[in-house]
Amino acid sequence: AQSVTQLGSHVSVSEGALVLLRCNYSSSVPPYLFWYVQYPNQGLQLLLKYTSAATLVKGINGFEAEFKKSETSFHLTKPSAHMSDAAEYFCAVGFSGNTGKLIFGQGTTLQVKP
Amino acid sequence: DAEITQSPRHKITETGRQVTLACHQTWNHNNMFWYRQDLGHGLRLIHYSYGVQDTNKGEVSDGYSVSRSNTEDLPLTLESAASSQTSVYFCASSESLFLPGGVSGELFFGEGSRLTVL
Repeated sequence: AQSVTQLGSHVSVSEGALVLLRCNYSSSVPPYLFWYVQYPNQGLQLLLKYTSAATLVKGINGFEAEFKKSETSFHLTKPSAHMSDAAEYFCAVGFSGNTGKLIFGQGTTLQVKP
Repeated sequence: DAEITQSPRHKITETGRQVTLACHQTWNHNNMFWYRQDLGHGLRLIHYSYGVQDTNKGEVSDGYSVSRSNTEDLPLTLESAASSQTSVYFCASSESLFLPGGVSGELFFGEGSRLTVL
């Protein structure tokens, strides 16, 4: 079965520190991978996506993620956290033939301390 | 600008009542989805539609139904609301399939409908 696992439901970093949010997937076919961000009382917004082009994907707000097939991972990083990055982050995966559906991870809440 | 809107944004109802959550998109997308968001579970797919008159069950479809009579709308109905259906509901749409060569199938989300069943 296809699935997505986000390691760590809560991550806390200091402002200016590296942000690393982990995502692993299981799949027997090449995946399409996404990171979404959700700010309080809002819907989800796309941060970035991997669709079989470059393995290092750059998104909005300084975030990037690297697709590592050998590790079945798609971890999200940002070199320097900002207070405005505090939000919930979701990793999601889609597959060819699974038309349009995304499977979401459980989410990781990012706290940024001053 | 194209958008996807949900209504109502907040609803309190009683056990056993029928509730309908509306979703309207102006993207002209064929694909529409309903998810529920619960702490510790992320987003779980309830129902989805690939076009007019097409509906499909997701992983948590029991107690819910949808209908698709036009491209723009996919209302979600709780036939007899239960306390276990207290949740935040998100509607989403996408234009494309996941195709080789990188067509993304990105989802566009509404702002959510918070439902409380007492």
